Amino acid sequence: EPEVTQTPSHQVTQMGQEVILRCVPISNHLYFYWYRQILGQKVEFLVSFYNNEISEKSEIFDDQFSVERPDGSNFTLKIRSTKLEDSAMYFCASRRGGGNRQETQYFGPGTRLLVL
Amino acid sequence: DQQVKQNSPSLSVQEGRISILNCDYTNSMFDYFLWYKKYPAEGPTFLISISSIKDKNEDGRFTVFLNKSAKHLSLHIVPSQPGDSAVYFCAASGGGADGLTFGKGTHLIIQP
Repeated sequence: EPEVTQTPSHQVTQMGQEVILRCVPISNHLYFYWYRQILGQKVEFLVSFYNNEISEKSEIFDDQFSVERPDGSNFTLKIRSTKLEDSAMYFCASRRGGGNRQETQYFGPGTRLLVL
Repeated sequence: DQQVKQNSPSLSVQEGRISILNCDYTNSMFDYFLWYKKYPAEGPTFLISISSIKDKNEDGRFTVFLNKSAKHLSLHIVPSQPGDSAVYFCAASGGGADGLTFGKGTHLIIQP
């Protein structure tokens, strides 16, 4: 069964460094998402992406964040200058996009980011 | 601003009995609801969903009920099995928003 994959599974970085988290959505899906979950808190929506542009973003997704689909398979989240509070589990998700927004979003296993 | 609330942080149920997980929402624009199951260090796994045009959806051992007037939904698992032990998240979307709004989750523990 197709699934969303994410790399790396864990990333440790120093405060102020740039990180890029990678995702490979399910191959025939058109809508892509990033979410995060800070330890002990709920899963929070960051951004959605469709047709090579951001379609929706939350207030968390500030200028430090950017997303890109650099090729036909990868979807990336970049954090330009990491802060301690960026430490979280980051989940990528995708959905097929058949004209009906009421579709299941399928999640990847996540990348655990630790900022020191 | 908790638009999706799961008021029970944990729930313990005996194996073979029914597990009922509850979720309340405040945003009347939500029109699509999903339940996800999550194990530690893994991503959320989709279980079942329901559109606001329905009041019940069933898939095997899982049934979701939606009460729009009360802005309440529940997930029933029957019979409960040891592998059902996990954190269950309620999520919602609607009002033109595509991103999901999640509750804080309920940790379900199935006792043998």
